[in-house]
Amino acid sequence: GNSVTQMEGPVTLSEEAFLTINCTYTATGYPSLFWYVQYPGEGLQLLLKATKADDKGSNKGFEATYRKETTSFHLEKGSVQVSDSAVYFCALSGNYGGSQGNLIFGKGTKLSVKP
Amino acid sequence: EAGVVQSPRYKIIEKKQPVAFWCNPISGHNTLYWYLQNLGQGPELLIRYENEEAVDDSQLPKDRFSAERLKGVDSTLKIQPAELGDSAVYLCASSQGGQETQYFGPGTRLLVL
Repeated sequence: GNSVTQMEGPVTLSEEAFLTINCTYTATGYPSLFWYVQYPGEGLQLLLKATKADDKGSNKGFEATYRKETTSFHLEKGSVQVSDSAVYFCALSGNYGGSQGNLIFGKGTKLSVKP
Repeated sequence: EAGVVQSPRYKIIEKKQPVAFWCNPISGHNTLYWYLQNLGQGPELLIRYENEEAVDDSQLPKDRFSAERLKGVDSTLKIQPAELGDSAVYLCASSQGGQETQYFGPGTRLLVL
């Protein structure tokens, strides 16, 4: 079945450091891929998405490229800020049969950015 | 525009008691989802509604969990009786028909003692 694997956390970085959070997936067909972010005490918010191979999603300085050949969707940011401290979830959207539209999430990676 | 509203935000109950969670999706969103999020894990789908029809409830433990969306807008998720292992965050999300992006509410944090 479909699944998402993302790097274990927590990840602790200093302000202005480069961020990479790895995400790989297993899926039938060609799912859409997402990164959601969960700030403390809040619900999940869509950060970015990509719907087909080689698409790049971007938002708030974050980027991720849909790599079909490596089944990956790694999240990157060139210079993190303290306000980026949150839990990041990689997800894919089921794209067949009754599961179409359902999101399958990774376990989440907690990011802490120190000033 | 108001986001997805959930209540209560927190609930503490004793095991074997019933509990209910309420969700009001974004206006105009016909698809509604309930997810379960255990500590340190990603959300897992419990049930998906298209309007008032439950189109995917394959992951809903039907012996103790039930859900309804009678008029195709608000939804209620119920657990009866609750068990210790039900302690988790229950998330509601909604999306517009045909759109992949889901919008999440803040969740209800349940603690079963």
